[in-house]
Amino acid sequence: DVKVTQSSRYLVKRTGEKVFLECVQDMDHENMFWYRQDPGLGLRLIYFSYDVKMKEKGDIPEGYSVSREKKERFSLILESASTNQTSMYLCASSLLRQSLGETQYFGPGTRLLVL
Amino acid sequence: KNEVEQSPQNLTAQEGEFITINCSYSVGISALHWLQQHPGGGIVSLFMLSSGKKKHGRLIATINIQEKHSSLHITASHPRDSAVYICAADNGASGSRLTFGEGTQLTVNP
Repeated sequence: DVKVTQSSRYLVKRTGEKVFLECVQDMDHENMFWYRQDPGLGLRLIYFSYDVKMKEKGDIPEGYSVSREKKERFSLILESASTNQTSMYLCASSLLRQSLGETQYFGPGTRLLVL
Repeated sequence: KNEVEQSPQNLTAQEGEFITINCSYSVGISALHWLQQHPGGGIVSLFMLSSGKKKHGRLIATINIQEKHSSLHITASHPRDSAVYICAADNGASGSRLTFGEGTQLTVNP
């Protein structure tokens, strides 16, 4: 079974803090994704990566950055957390970059509260 | 208008009822995904389909490419089916980028 893990289930941070959210997958997947999920807005793509050291902006990248130094690990960074970044953050991975219609496997989510 | 729209937003049913959740999309797709999210947040992929129909246990997913419409059916619904059901359109671009509907909150009462 594919396993996608996220470093924390719940996080409370203060405005202005630097926040790191980590995601690890154990199935040698090429693609990794970071989403945020908000009531009434659904899941929105922040960033994705299809290879080590590669990243592409999603629909809402402002205020975020990412890092993929190893294939299995994809980190989401909030350089200076703000209250509007309070949300559920979900990581996902899928197998092949060039394959159409790949199943995405999701982590359990991190619920971030910025005070 | 959202690129992927689901209906209804909320659905309450009695145990045993047949349930249908609808998804319409306006983008070109290579595949349409149905996902399930239980309280607590974890998301599980139920189906990925690009044509016709797929069945897994009591769950059936259909897609009509010409009409840009997909449905998820649950037969003999059970309280454990209570969850948020999300459809997502895969635009076929590199990396399988998904566009998500807002989700349908299903509650099945005993």
